[in-house]
Amino acid sequence: DTAVSQTPKYLVTQMGNDKSIKCEQNLGHDTMYWYKQDSKKFLKIMFSYNNKELIINETVPNRFSPKSPDKAHLNLHINSLELGDSAVYFCASSQGVAGRYETQYFGPGTRLLVL
Amino acid sequence: AQSVTQLDSHVSVSEGTPVLLRCNYSSSYSPSLFWYVQHPNKGLQLLLKYTSAATLVKGINGFEAEFKKSETSFHLTKPSAHMSDAAEYFCVVPSGSARQLTFGSGTQLTVLP
Repeated sequence: DTAVSQTPKYLVTQMGNDKSIKCEQNLGHDTMYWYKQDSKKFLKIMFSYNNKELIINETVPNRFSPKSPDKAHLNLHINSLELGDSAVYFCASSQGVAGRYETQYFGPGTRLLVL
Repeated sequence: AQSVTQLDSHVSVSEGTPVLLRCNYSSSYSPSLFWYVQHPNKGLQLLLKYTSAATLVKGINGFEAEFKKSETSFHLTKPSAHMSDAAEYFCVVPSGSARQLTFGSGTQLTVLP
């Protein structure tokens, strides 16, 4: 069974479109995250939810809106896509709020290409 | 603030030879540290983590890392490289209010036959 799953795996779309990426974890974890990995492989956190409550919201354009319908799901909606949004987006989860010893479990990533 | 610096963006070794991937950290207190691996077109997988229990940490797939406070280092090693070890490796430290992970810039490991 896949612990953290994301759909779709690949997403190719035109500038200006709106798209969503879905994430689900079956680990019973309380906290979920979205990371963005750019073309140089640099990973940066975007959002984090704990028990459906937003706890981390880094400097991300407000075109990005996370939504957590329940503890097991954290979706990412992106409005008015821009070329610079092209990246790999990773979802992750952890048992508690990622502290000093908390392990985060990552999904396989969604490769977004904006044309 | 906590941060990590991966000293090599690319490392190339021959199969069967030792692997050394270097990471230095900056922290105002004794941090916890992680190594994650990302195989091509795959997600990230935890290799090992340091939690102050022991300075030498053993991980999966024969990897280990040693926490050296005097050198502020947490280098990743493996005695004998295997072709399947070819991947991107990230040194990671919890930061902010310890609620998020800060990733190093990554080291691409190539294993030559």
